[in-house]
Amino acid sequence: DQQVKQNSPSLSVQEGRISILNCDYTNSMFDYFLWYKKYPAEGPTFLISISSIKDKNEDGRFTVFLNKSAKHLSLHIVPSQPGDSAVYFCAASNAGKSTFGDGTTLTVKP
Amino acid sequence: GAGVSQSPSNKVTEKGKDVELRCDPISGHTALYWYRQSLGQGLEFLIYFQGNSAPDKSGLPSDRFSAERTGGSVSTLTIQRTQQEDSAVYLCASSINRVGTDTQYFGPGTRLTVL
Repeated sequence: DQQVKQNSPSLSVQEGRISILNCDYTNSMFDYFLWYKKYPAEGPTFLISISSIKDKNEDGRFTVFLNKSAKHLSLHIVPSQPGDSAVYFCAASNAGKSTFGDGTTLTVKP
Repeated sequence: GAGVSQSPSNKVTEKGKDVELRCDPISGHTALYWYRQSLGQGLEFLIYFQGNSAPDKSGLPSDRFSAERTGGSVSTLTIQRTQQEDSAVYLCASSINRVGTDTQYFGPGTRLTVL
C-alpha cells in the first residue's frame, strides 16, 4: 500500500500562471513533509518543507499548504517559470524516515 | 563545498554479475541513505546508515543486496548476481542527522543497466 501518492503524473501550465502540485498521504504519524525538485540526470534537490503543526509555509514563489484532516498537501508555484520544469516529489517523514511519492512532471510553457 | 558524489555514473553489466556502487556523502553528515528509482517510479527507500551502523535495512529487496559504510563516510551498495529487474537509478543521500527536519542532499545517482 502506497503511503504517499501523487495522483497526477504530469502537469502543464503557461509561464506566469500558477502551478499546483498535489500529494496525498495515508499515515497520520507523518510529522514532516517536504518537496523535492529533480532535473534529468541529477539527484533531487530540496525545495520547501512544512511541519505538521503548521498549515502553510511560504518561500518566495513557492508555498506549501498542509490539510491534516484531509491528509493532503499541495505545492503552489506562482508565477511559474520555464526553469521550474522538472519532476517534483513530495515526501512525508516519520521519525526521520522519509517516504516519497512517485513524482509529478511539471512543464512550464513559455 | 563538495556535495554528495556517486560512482560510477553509469554501469552496464550482464545478468548474474556482481556490482558495487559507491557514495561519498557530504563531510560531517552522519546519516546516509540509499534509494532506488525505477523507470517512471518514485524513490524507493533501500537502507539507512547512522554513522557506520544500519538500523534500518527494511527496504533492501532481497538478500542479494547489501551495503556497508566505513569511517562514518563512504558507503558501498553491493548487488550480487544481478537480475534485469535491478536496472534502475540508485541514489544516495546524506543529512546531518536522521531527524525529520533534516534536509537530505542527494547525489546525481548511478544508472545501472542489467542486460
